[in-house]
Amino acid sequence: NAGVTQTPKFQVLKTGQSMTLQCAQDMNHEYMSWYRQDPGMGLRLIHYSVGAGITDQGEVPNGYNVSRSTTEDFPLRLLSAAPSQTSVYFCASRTDRVLRNEQFFGPGTRLTVL
Amino acid sequence: GNSVTQMEGPVTLSEEAFLTINCTYTATGYPSLFWYVQYPGEGLQLLLKATKADDKGSNKGFEATYRKETTSFHLEKGSVQVSDSAVYFCALSDKGTGNQFYFGTGTSLTVIP
Repeated sequence: NAGVTQTPKFQVLKTGQSMTLQCAQDMNHEYMSWYRQDPGMGLRLIHYSVGAGITDQGEVPNGYNVSRSTTEDFPLRLLSAAPSQTSVYFCASRTDRVLRNEQFFGPGTRLTVL
Repeated sequence: GNSVTQMEGPVTLSEEAFLTINCTYTATGYPSLFWYVQYPGEGLQLLLKATKADDKGSNKGFEATYRKETTSFHLEKGSVQVSDSAVYFCALSDKGTGNQFYFGTGTSLTVIP
């Protein structure tokens, strides 16, 4: 199993550009989430999905879109990049089984918006 | 609401020293509690977890006990190594709020030889 994979690892954008961060998991997990990590603020939830076709907003959703057309993939779209979106982005997945409910994280995408 | 508070760092210890990183939580239901570790340049990895009160999670010499009476889940290790240098995150998942995860802000640990 590859677990949770994310591409790209690094990205530099100019203000106003759009892009998609890719996330895929091969563990057949129902739940997938996107977080951003900023210094001194821990991880903040952007969007999440409880299954294919179902998405919902997290704590900081503005400026981001998501879709979940398959169980495996959960891309994050930046519509018009802003310097405030400079961050490290992590995708995570988990199952809903009570005793196995820990999240599995991807390696992250380091995004810089100039 | 749900929240996690963990001690601020950075923490610097000498090799073989005793480590404690404090974590307290607020939850509306009966959460599961987790410690994650993040090594430089990597994603978060599960270190240990506990799913109910008085459970003790343990892994790689680290331990944490789920204390409902003090709403705490402090991370401990008896003898740290240089390879333990990382950022440690305490987290909870509450079934009452759809199993959403809530993370602390992270504690950076540096172990010097």
